[in-house]
Amino acid sequence: QVQLVQSGSELKKPGASVKVSCKASGYTFSNYVMNWVRQAPGQGLEWMGWINTNTGNPTYAQGFTGRFVFSLDTSVSTAYLQISGLKPEDTAVYYCARERPMDHWGQGTLVTVSS
Amino acid sequence: QSVLTQPPSVSGAPGQRVTISCTGSSSNIGAGHDVHWYQQLPGTAPKLLIYNNSNRPSGVPDRFSGSKSGTSASLAITGLQAEDEADYYCQSYDIYLSYVFGTGTKVTVL
Repeated sequence: QVQLVQSGSELKKPGASVKVSCKASGYTFSNYVMNWVRQAPGQGLEWMGWINTNTGNPTYAQGFTGRFVFSLDTSVSTAYLQISGLKPEDTAVYYCARERPMDHWGQGTLVTVSS
Repeated sequence: QSVLTQPPSVSGAPGQRVTISCTGSSSNIGAGHDVHWYQQLPGTAPKLLIYNNSNRPSGVPDRFSGSKSGTSASLAITGLQAEDEADYYCQSYDIYLSYVFGTGTKVTVL
């Protein structure tokens, strides 16, 4: 069965970086794109962008350029989201989700940014 | 502020029918782009509920149905059950913003 398993919660100080992983199993990784979605506390879903798992080419939504980087390690069927220069407003749950429509989701990774 | 607007909340008694609207514009739903719906139970990841306007993935009860007309779409839940209490989000493609989610609707079962 298709599974997306994300890395655990992170507590970071402002200005630090974080890398969230999303390990896929149960399907051919390179056949489906991977999306990243942010959900701030008590807020709605926000599409951050996607990465082509065949070419590694990322596409970022408005508001997610510069400090946000999508990457892959296809040898272990894993997608990554790295956020640098963390700000308190980056505190959120970050989800990876396969394809569009997003038919499978990771369990989410809570990133907390606080001094 | 999303370009897809949903009512913040809807409620209904068990067994009733509720509908959730998703209002877009000529740059997204009105441009012919498909609408998908997601259900997010409390404390869990979203789950695909309806895709391509009106199709249900395997395992989704037929109590859930979707439709689209003009610049809007709707999700209907018939025979409302306690387990349907969740947040619901529509999603479509916008020619300016790419993939966008709706503002979200909380469904409360009275």
